[in-house]
Amino acid sequence: AQTVTQSQPEMSVQEAETVTLSCTYDTSENNYYLFWYKQPPSRQMILVIRQEAYKQQNATENRFSVNFQKAAKSFSLKISDSQLGDTAMYFCALGQGAQKLVFGQGTRLTINP
Amino acid sequence: EAGVAQSPRYKIIEKRQSVAFWCNPISGHATLYWYQQILGQGPKLLIQFQNNGVVDDSQLPKDRFSAERLKGVDSTLKIQPAKLEDSAVYLCASSIEVSPYYGYTFGSGTRLTVV
Repeated sequence: AQTVTQSQPEMSVQEAETVTLSCTYDTSENNYYLFWYKQPPSRQMILVIRQEAYKQQNATENRFSVNFQKAAKSFSLKISDSQLGDTAMYFCALGQGAQKLVFGQGTRLTINP
Repeated sequence: EAGVAQSPRYKIIEKRQSVAFWCNPISGHATLYWYQQILGQGPKLLIQFQNNGVVDDSQLPKDRFSAERLKGVDSTLKIQPAKLEDSAVYLCASSIEVSPYYGYTFGSGTRLTVV
């Protein structure tokens, strides 16, 4: 069975700081994908970044980057130069084959002015 | 490109009543998902369609929940009768293929409150 665990229910940082959100997962498969989604108060889930398990290079999208440690089954998200608009719930998700995305419990991130 | 449309945005019903949610996915997206997101938790898949066929409904409480996707486009999710524990946000998502590689496009969800 696939599981995703986010151990930080809430985090808070000052604007322009760097913040790292943690995620661990469990799967018996070797090929899979990992995602970070952002859910602002509007409730719409927005894809932030995606990582393919067979790629060793960590994915980067502008201010967002991941630290993918396959052996440790860890997938953390780093947000650099944080902005007020980054305030949201962040969900880590695992997907493989034709199967559904499995989500973690989420981390509520607040960026303070 | 238009997004995933969902309606209604909010719904309040009494327990034992019935309710239906509607979803219109992105044009051309073959795969459609309904997720239930209870407050403070991550989304949990209820049902996955590929065109108008069901791929996965293993976590759908079939004694009270039903879903259909006629003609492989729009979808409706129904709850009858509703229970207090059904209070949640119901998210619809679509993807161009069944593989999660492409990620999902989500709608804004329907917030259901059962009183």
